[in-house]
Amino acid sequence: RKEVEQDPGPFNVPEGATVAFNCTYSNSASQSFFWYRQDCRKEPKLLMSVYSSGNEDGRFTAQLNRASQYISLLIRDSKLSDSATYLCVVDGGDSSASKIIFGSGTRLSIRP
Amino acid sequence: DGGITQSPKYLFRKEGQNVTLSCEQNLNHDAMYWYRQDPGQGLRLIYYSQIVNDFQKGDIAEGYSVSREKKESFPLTVTSAQKNPTAFYLCASSIYREGISSGANVLTFGAGSRLTVL
Repeated sequence: RKEVEQDPGPFNVPEGATVAFNCTYSNSASQSFFWYRQDCRKEPKLLMSVYSSGNEDGRFTAQLNRASQYISLLIRDSKLSDSATYLCVVDGGDSSASKIIFGSGTRLSIRP
Repeated sequence: DGGITQSPKYLFRKEGQNVTLSCEQNLNHDAMYWYRQDPGQGLRLIYYSQIVNDFQKGDIAEGYSVSREKKESFPLTVTSAQKNPTAFYLCASSIYREGISSGANVLTFGAGSRLTVL
């Protein structure tokens, strides 16, 4: 089983739709969680951190479920510019870089 | 503006040649990292460094070497021993950020270097 698993997609949804992705992780001791966005042939950029209480940033909502070991990302009122690959990132929580694990990404395509 | 600069953006190499990818940051971050990304796959850690003159192997260090002589610089050499070097190489740096649950490394990436072996 991979340490961080994501549905690779692609998710193809119309503009204005609501779309949600899940990401599961295997290490129950994981402490920090993030969603990064990566455009085609570009570097990943931090979209948002995922906190235990859940958090929202405009149209984006992130949730953490420790019991089931998954995190989710919800995008409301999707825009064409949301088309990208979304990477789930799980961090062991100390200063060791080797604890940061990236998922393979979920590809999202928004159609007009 | 602060950021991470990688060069070159595109690089072609003949088999058997060593190549060095540059990574410079002016964010005053202590930690720096090199990742490799292959099509349709996640990022895999090659090497990382938390302080000057110290670095550690990541998951796929074989065929690569690094140095950290200055805080701002973390060059990666892809040696001829790396059997499948064609990939997208990403350099990143981080600070240690206290989150709600615990501390966490938040990564800032350079624009990447795309290496193709001919």
